[in-house]
Amino acid sequence: GDSVTQMEGPVTLSEEAFLTINCTYTATGYPSLFWYVQYPGEGLQLLLKATKADDKGSNKGFEATYRKETTSFHLEKGSVQVSDSAVYFCALRRVNDKLIFGTGTRLQVFP
Amino acid sequence: NAGVTQTPKFQVLKTGQSMTLQCAQDMNHEYMSWYRQDPGMGLRLIHYSVGAGITDQGEVPNGYNVSRSTTEDFPLRLLSAAPSQTSVYFCASSQGATGNTIYFGEGSWLTVV
Repeated sequence: GDSVTQMEGPVTLSEEAFLTINCTYTATGYPSLFWYVQYPGEGLQLLLKATKADDKGSNKGFEATYRKETTSFHLEKGSVQVSDSAVYFCALRRVNDKLIFGTGTRLQVFP
Repeated sequence: NAGVTQTPKFQVLKTGQSMTLQCAQDMNHEYMSWYRQDPGMGLRLIHYSVGAGITDQGEVPNGYNVSRSTTEDFPLRLLSAAPSQTSVYFCASSQGATGNTIYFGEGSWLTVV
């Protein structure tokens, strides 16, 4: 069946460091891909999305490119801030808008 | 502009008690769903609905009931709470078209003691 695999955390970085959170997927066809973010004590927010191969989603300095050949959707940011500390979830959408999530990656950014 | 509204935000239940988590959306979305979030497991689908009067099971439906009598509301019922149902619950809604956004509520933190 379809699945999403994320790198395990926590990822610990200093402010202004470069961030990569790996996400790979297994799916039939070409599902839409998403990154959601959950700040401490809050709900899920859509961070970015891509609906077809080679699409690049971007928001708030974060980027991810839908790579069909490597079945990946890695999240990147050039310079992280303390305020980016959160849990990040990669997800794919299946029929009837059902989402399959990765296990989440906790990011901790220190000043 | 309420979006997806979940209530309550926090709840403590005793084992065996029943309760209903409420979810309402004001965007006239056809698709609604419930997920639970557990440490190290991400979010897993409990039940979903593609329209009023239509529901189906997701990955982890046991112990939960749902109904969809209106487009706006999609309540999740725990008939006899168990400690294994301690979790954070999220409701989501969407229009069901390619490229559209799936919106989430702010979550309901449930503890069963």
